[in-house]
Amino acid sequence: GQQLNQSPQSMFIQEGEDVSMNCTSSSIFNTWLWYKQDPGEGPVLLIALYKAGELTSNGRLTAQFGITRKDSFLNISASIPSDVGIYFCAGPFGINDMRFGAGTRLTVKP
Amino acid sequence: NAGVMQNPRHLVRRRGQEARLRCSPMKGHSHVYWYRQLPEEGLKFMVYLQKENIIDESGMPKERFSAEFPKEGPSILRIQQVVRGDSAAYFCASSQKPTQGSSYNSPLHFGNGTRLTVT
Repeated sequence: GQQLNQSPQSMFIQEGEDVSMNCTSSSIFNTWLWYKQDPGEGPVLLIALYKAGELTSNGRLTAQFGITRKDSFLNISASIPSDVGIYFCAGPFGINDMRFGAGTRLTVKP
Repeated sequence: NAGVMQNPRHLVRRRGQEARLRCSPMKGHSHVYWYRQLPEEGLKFMVYLQKENIIDESGMPKERFSAEFPKEGPSILRIQQVVRGDSAAYFCASSQKPTQGSSYNSPLHFGNGTRLTVT
């Protein structure tokens, strides 16, 4: 079935470093979403992408919708301790199902 | 705060008991989704409901699990005769429109989840 592959699975970085993570799909998506989940909380939408090639920023976060429509990446610049959490990519599958990747777990060392 | 509200936050049940999880969607949202998250894993779709209708329950186990979204009141996810394998975090999300990516742009907004522990 349709799979969303997220990489890397986990990252350990120093405060101030830039972060890059990506998500690939076995099929074409019309929408890519990036969510962040803090410990004990629900996922919160960070960036939504609706058009191939689209590059969108939200503060220190930048995400791009790949030209092939099968991938997306998320960059975080100048990381800070509160960036810690799990980052999920998501995309619609079928009519009603929003599929999520397995997540990238980010640890930021002060 | 008019976000998605879930309760209880934590629920402990013994094997064989029933678990009832509640979700009130964001104001103005009429589409509700339930997801399950196991430790160290992503979210797995369970069921999609609109008011008084189950639209898609393809991700929900055929036995012991049921969901409803009545005309009045919150959406309920019900698990009967719980087993240890049901232990997980259950998240509810709502949207203004269906989440189809081709025509609609209505991302999901999540609640903070109910963490079910079966002892």
